Amino acid sequence: KAGVTQTPRYLIKTRGQQVTLSCSPISGHRSVSWYQQTPGQGLQFLFEYFSETQRNKGNFPGRFSGRQFSNSRSEMNVSTLELGDSALYLCASSLRGPSSYNSPLHFGNGTRLTVT
Amino acid sequence: GQQVMQIPQYQHVQEGEDFTTYCNSSTTLSNIQWYKQRPGGHPVFLIQLVKSGEVKKQKRLTFQFGEAKKNSSLHITATQTTDVGTYFCAGLSNYGQNFVFGPGTRLSVLP
Repeated sequence: KAGVTQTPRYLIKTRGQQVTLSCSPISGHRSVSWYQQTPGQGLQFLFEYFSETQRNKGNFPGRFSGRQFSNSRSEMNVSTLELGDSALYLCASSLRGPSSYNSPLHFGNGTRLTVT
Repeated sequence: GQQVMQIPQYQHVQEGEDFTTYCNSSTTLSNIQWYKQRPGGHPVFLIQLVKSGEVKKQKRLTFQFGEAKKNSSLHITATQTTDVGTYFCAGLSNYGQNFVFGPGTRLSVLP
């Protein structure tokens, strides 16, 4: 079974630009979560999508948004990039159901975003 | 909101020594998961603990969930160089819907 695929692996952007990251979950997984990982802040939860609906959101500004498609693939968008947005963005899919939340997370390799 | 802390932040051990990382939550957890992230890699799920006082073993790794379901530990016996990486705990509170990750413990094993 193929794992979680994230594209692109690396991105370099300039302040003020916007960026879109893509995540293809494991087949059969309907839940997709996004995390930001930085050396100082660790793994910070951005949001979770389930069946094309955002059902959880972390403490990030509105510049961070996402969506999920009918095939469970998900995209994350960051607008008006700031230097502090430089991080590893990880996507994780799971078998979390409509009212169950304790299934393991399967992470992709991440997208390393550098903002200059 | 819920906070999850881990100690120590870093641990350097000689190969063959034991290692323990501790995880503490500010709120009671319904369950806790542990992940390992190798340098340059992504977090990989190790185990999930659900019951109060639960102990699970995976070869040289022993995981414990506290009686009050607010803390957990991971103990590695006789570390090997393949154990190098950062170990994260992630807790799901009784009222929460998403796991809150601890800051991780970075383990270095000297051969």
